[in-house]
Amino acid sequence: EADIYQTPRYLVIGTGKKITLECSQTMGHDKMYWYQQDPGMELHLIHYSYGVNSTEKGDLSSESTVSRIRTEHFPLTLESARPSHTSQYLCASSEGTGGWETQYFGPGTRLLVL
Amino acid sequence: AQSVTQLDSQVPVFEEAPVELRCNYSSSVSVYLFWYVQYPNQGLQLLLKYLSGSTLVKGINGFEAEFNKSQTSFHLRKPSVHISDTAEYFCAVSEIRNTGNQFYFGTGTSLTVIP
Repeated sequence: EADIYQTPRYLVIGTGKKITLECSQTMGHDKMYWYQQDPGMELHLIHYSYGVNSTEKGDLSSESTVSRIRTEHFPLTLESARPSHTSQYLCASSEGTGGWETQYFGPGTRLLVL
Repeated sequence: AQSVTQLDSQVPVFEEAPVELRCNYSSSVSVYLFWYVQYPNQGLQLLLKYLSGSTLVKGINGFEAEFNKSQTSFHLRKPSVHISDTAEYFCAVSEIRNTGNQFYFGTGTSLTVIP
């Protein structure tokens, strides 16, 4: 079983607030990812990292930012939350390369911006 | 870019009946294929994956999937479902790029097992 954690699990917040979604993994994986998941939609990659000090934007444009100062930690920050940011955010990490790469997911953070 | 199509958004099935969840992908290049399950209020959990070799892949919880290259499909099956199989199921494709793998996910199929 994968050891990847996300906090908070649920967050209700007002417009304009700054929020940080935490993601940590204890597996020593170099690669980490943030996905946005909306009902009936495919998972959209918004950020990824291939290691410490490496961050890239994914296919879906996002106003969030990420940092990767430590291997195990990959937080996502929204400087000013808006109702359009309401969604579920899934963090993942992966091991292996090429076809052997497998992603492991955290439990998700469900965000509601009022 | 790759696209992953899960043809059925919702699949209701009676307990102990067989089920098939369909997945098709678009790429003609070599890809790797995955099925994930998501239980309510949880993250995605890997069910099974196809990398190479035998086209029939067995996963956890009695699920299996068959890779069909000519039809670019990777359908998930279980011969007899349980109530506990009620969940959302996602098909995913990994495409290798120079910068690393890119994962693409389908929109999900909601499986509801009816007692």
